[in-house]
Amino acid sequence: QKEVEQNSGPLSVPEGAIASLNCTYSDRGSQSFFWYRQYSGKSPELIMSIYSNGDKEDGRFTAQLNKASQYVSLLIRDSQPSDSATYLCAVMGTYKYIFGTGTRLKVLA
Amino acid sequence: DAGVTQSPTHLIKTRGQQVTLRCSPISGHKSVSWYQQVLGQGPQFIFQYYEKEERGRGNFPDRFSARQFPNYSSELNVNALLLGDSALYLCASSFSGGSNEQYFGPGTRLTVT
Repeated sequence: QKEVEQNSGPLSVPEGAIASLNCTYSDRGSQSFFWYRQYSGKSPELIMSIYSNGDKEDGRFTAQLNKASQYVSLLIRDSQPSDSATYLCAVMGTYKYIFGTGTRLKVLA
Repeated sequence: DAGVTQSPTHLIKTRGQQVTLRCSPISGHKSVSWYQQVLGQGPQFIFQYYEKEERGRGNFPDRFSARQFPNYSSELNVNALLLGDSALYLCASSFSGGSNEQYFGPGTRLTVT
C-alpha cells in the first residue's frame, strides 16, 4: 500500500462545476496535510493546508479532512480552465512531506 | 518578498559526472528540503536541513549529499551521475521544518546523457 494515494485521472469537469479531488494516507499518526497545484513544467504551488478534522475554506477552494477514515479531499468550486493542472496531496511525516502521484484535472470550457 | 530561488534552471551532464544545485530560501525561513521529481510522479524527499543540521534523509544513495550554510542557503550534490538521476530537483523552504508549510522554488531540470 502506498503511503499517500491519489487517483491519477484525468478528472474532467465542465467550466463552472465543482471538482472533487481525493487522497488517502496510510499513517494514522499523520497530523498535517497539504494540497499543491502543479502546472505542466512548473514547480508545485501551495493551495491549502489543513490540520484538524472538518472543512477549511479559502476562496473557491475547500479542504476536507477525516482522520478516522484517513482521507483528505479538495473541492474546487466554479472551476475555471485555468484550474487545469495536476493536484498533489502531501502528508507530513517525520521532517518530510510524502506526496501522492497527483490527480490531473481538466476543466473543459 | 522574493520566493525560493534555485540555480541553475537547467543543466545537462554526462554519466559519471558530478553536479551541484543551489537554493536560497525565503527570507526568514530556516529550513530547506530537497526533493526529486520524475515525470508523472510526485516529489520524492531527499533531505531536510534546519539550522545547518540534517534533520531527515530519504531513500537515496550516498551519491546524494547536501549542506546548509549560515545564511540558510543550501547545496545539493550528486556524484557519479546515472541516467536515472535525470529529473526536476526541487528545493522547498519553511520556517522551521516541523509541520510548517513548505514553499517550493522553480526547480532545476537535470538531464543526464
